[in-house]
Amino acid sequence: ETGVTQSPTHLIKTRGQQVTLRCSSQSGHNTVSWYQQALGQGPQFIFQYYREEENGRGNFPPRFSGLQFPNYSSELNVNALELDDSALYLCASSLPQSTDTQYFGPGTRLTVL
Amino acid sequence: AQSVTQLGSHVSVSEGALVLLRCNYSSSVPPYLFWYVQYPNQGLQLLLKYTSAATLVKGINGFEAEFKKSETSFHLTKPSAHMSDAAEYFCAVSDGRDSWGKLQFGAGTQVVVTP
Repeated sequence: ETGVTQSPTHLIKTRGQQVTLRCSSQSGHNTVSWYQQALGQGPQFIFQYYREEENGRGNFPPRFSGLQFPNYSSELNVNALELDDSALYLCASSLPQSTDTQYFGPGTRLTVL
Repeated sequence: AQSVTQLGSHVSVSEGALVLLRCNYSSSVPPYLFWYVQYPNQGLQLLLKYTSAATLVKGINGFEAEFKKSETSFHLTKPSAHMSDAAEYFCAVSDGRDSWGKLQFGAGTQVVVTP
């Protein structure tokens, strides 16, 4: 059984560009949550997807958007990148019957110049 | 809205000494509480969770935490620190079943273990 995987590992973009981050959930997990972890801070909840629908959103602007696919993998898209978007982006998946336990991927480190 | 406060951004302990990491929460409903550990360049790993069962929760790697409603606390302890415990630790809260997976994290506590 493979764990949660994320790609790419690292990414460098310039201000104003768009970026897509990808997450493959653990086998059988139909719920995926995304978090932003700025340097020296705790993760901040961006949004959650359940059965391909957004199921809750944190305090992030609409330029942060997502998708979940039928195989439960997920994408996080960020438009019009700003310098403050530089962070580690974490994806977490959970089982349908145990959504209190999340399994985190290693993250994607995004640097915006 | 729920939130957590972790007291102390850095903690230094000697190998073999007690590890105590403090977490206080604020929640308008009975909370679900979690402790996660993050090693350098890795994602978060769940250490333990409180979901309204026993107030003393045992986790992996010898860690445990006690839920104290009267003190709104969920402090993490380990009787004897090991060098491999050096990492960053995060306390997190959710509002329960409707908010599972939508965690509010504290700012984290960096643990340094000295020989």
